[in-house]
Amino acid sequence: DQQVKQNSPSLSVQEGRISILNCDYTNSMFDYFLWYKKYPAEGPTFLISISSIKDKNEDGRFTVFLNKSAKHLSLHIVPSQPGDSAVYFCAASARGYGGATNKLIFGTGTLLAVQP
Amino acid sequence: DAGITQSPRHKVTETGTPVTLRCHQTENHRYMYWYRQDPGHGLRLIHYSYGVKDTDKGEVSDGYSVSRSKTEDFLLTLESATSSQTSVYFCAISESRVRNNEQFFGPGTRLTVL
Repeated sequence: DQQVKQNSPSLSVQEGRISILNCDYTNSMFDYFLWYKKYPAEGPTFLISISSIKDKNEDGRFTVFLNKSAKHLSLHIVPSQPGDSAVYFCAASARGYGGATNKLIFGTGTLLAVQP
Repeated sequence: DAGITQSPRHKVTETGTPVTLRCHQTENHRYMYWYRQDPGHGLRLIHYSYGVKDTDKGEVSDGYSVSRSKTEDFLLTLESATSSQTSVYFCAISESRVRNNEQFFGPGTRLTVL
């Protein structure tokens, strides 16, 4: 039972355009959501997060939107750059699940390719 | 970058042999985690630790054990390696919830079981 789903395995976007990566979740107890970026042969790196009490968080070219009623979040990258080409993982945690352990549940990832 | 190292970075072993992967941190973070990454599965939690000698199972713990005798080291042992354990293994660390549960990841260990 996958609690965090990324239904698009891959996405291709032209440089300068917007990239939109999507993530759906099923557990209404999740209270933090995070996006990680992963290049080949490297570990994932934290990109941006959002608390369930917010519906938007912005950091430079990256914005995460949270729609709690739809149990959906999305990551927008504007403008997209070739260096953004990587696998993006969505992750979530819940007080009941993570508690004091800070455990995260990850989606399966979306491979973003930004074409020059 | 968070000070996390993993060793070895690459390993090829044979079915049935024991394998130990090491994660070392210099951040003095309380929580440490072992994940495996496989195509179509994303990152799945194997085991985690919430303090020295305090560990618990994740969602894919069968065939794995862990130990944490010091804050800085978290060992993952494959008791008898199988081909299904061929994967990329990542260690991660985190501190309190102040940073929104952010975890910092090591560079990974690519393990091949023949």
